[in-house]
Amino acid sequence: DAKTTQPNSMESNEEEPVHLPCNHSTISGTDYIHWYRQLPSQGPEYVIHGLTSNVNNRMASLAIAEDRKSSTLILHRATLRDAAVYYCILRDGGVQGAQKLVFGQGTRLTINP
Amino acid sequence: GAGVSQSPSNKVTEKGKDVELRCDPISGHTALYWYRQSLGQGLEFLIYFQGNSAPDKSGLPSDRFSAERTGGSVSTLTIQRTQQEDSAVYLCASSLKGQGAYGYTFGSGTRLTVV
Repeated sequence: DAKTTQPNSMESNEEEPVHLPCNHSTISGTDYIHWYRQLPSQGPEYVIHGLTSNVNNRMASLAIAEDRKSSTLILHRATLRDAAVYYCILRDGGVQGAQKLVFGQGTRLTINP
Repeated sequence: GAGVSQSPSNKVTEKGKDVELRCDPISGHTALYWYRQSLGQGLEFLIYFQGNSAPDKSGLPSDRFSAERTGGSVSTLTIQRTQQEDSAVYLCASSLKGQGAYGYTFGSGTRLTVV
């Protein structure tokens, strides 16, 4: 799977938007961009994923650059519960693609009250 | 079920004993994964199932570790002759299919402590 690069940590304030960046300059045409988060003492939680177009769900939005070499996870109004480690992972959508999620170090997001 | 269920949630065992960890994936999910996470560390892939077969066992750390899946549903991870370095949270995840177009749902994990 292609590599992703994320900042080690970010900090934001409660009730403000948060933009978490991810660079993936070696992304291939069939790679999906996945985001997961892990709250303290819990298993990872699916957030969102997309291929080319921007995606929205109840948790977040995913903005994908036109060249797909970077993406941004957007939390529209952060709460204290959003404090977690956020992982950006590329997954091959092809039938013969690698099948496991490979977790990097992620971005540790701190939310200030 | 509504989510991925793992049991037990906590397990304390003596060094040298065998343990079995169970994972009930979401109904209809064909892909199932086992990961482990040692204290303060990242997630380490162990094994992947597609249906009842395991095309990727590359993450199993030694031959003391084995896993099986039956009926395309429940999976059991077995650790024989447990060692203290096996202490970790063991996480199971499932996905409708294994390809990247599908998201993964994780269980809450089994915290294994070997004393």
